[in-house]
Amino acid sequence: GDSVTQMEGPVTLSEEAFLTINCTYTATGYPSLFWYVQYPGEGLQLLLKATKADDKGSNKGFEATYRKETTSFHLEKGSVQVSDSAVYFCALSDQPGKLIFGQGTTLQVKP
Amino acid sequence: DTAVSQTPKYLVTQMGNDKSIKCEQNLGHDTMYWYKQDSKKFLKIMFSYNNKELIINETVPNRFSPKSPDKAHLNLHINSLELGDSAVYFCASSQGFTNTEAFFGQGTRLTVV
Repeated sequence: GDSVTQMEGPVTLSEEAFLTINCTYTATGYPSLFWYVQYPGEGLQLLLKATKADDKGSNKGFEATYRKETTSFHLEKGSVQVSDSAVYFCALSDQPGKLIFGQGTTLQVKP
Repeated sequence: DTAVSQTPKYLVTQMGNDKSIKCEQNLGHDTMYWYKQDSKKFLKIMFSYNNKELIINETVPNRFSPKSPDKAHLNLHINSLELGDSAVYFCASSQGFTNTEAFFGQGTRLTVV
């Protein structure tokens, strides 16, 4: 079945460091891809999305490019802040009404 | 004016009890979901409802019974609670069944003792 694999965390960075969180997927079709973020004690929020190959999603300084050839959707940010500390989830959808999530990657940013 | 709200936020109960979690969205969406997040933060879909009709049931035990009285509400009733039901349950909604850009509630942390 379809699945999403993320790099294991926690990822610990200093403020202003460059961030990459790897995400790869397995899907039979051409799914839409998402990054969601969960801040402590809160629900998930959509961070960015891409719906077809080579699309780049971006929001709040975060970017991810849909790479069909490598089945990847890695999340990047050039300069992280303490306020970016959260759990990040990569997800795919190739069927209406259903999101398949990766296991989540915890990011800790230290001042 | 929270978009997707769940109650209660925390729920501690004994094995064998029956409990309900309520969810309401004020976004005007017609599709609602329940997701379960386990202790390792792994999220998995349980149910999808579209216009009050059950569309997806991901092999959830029939002790879990969702109820959608109208498009703005999707409640989750759990019978005969087990230790393994301990998790965080998230309600979510989206505009249209084919649009999986979901808005999530804050979650309900269920602890079964």
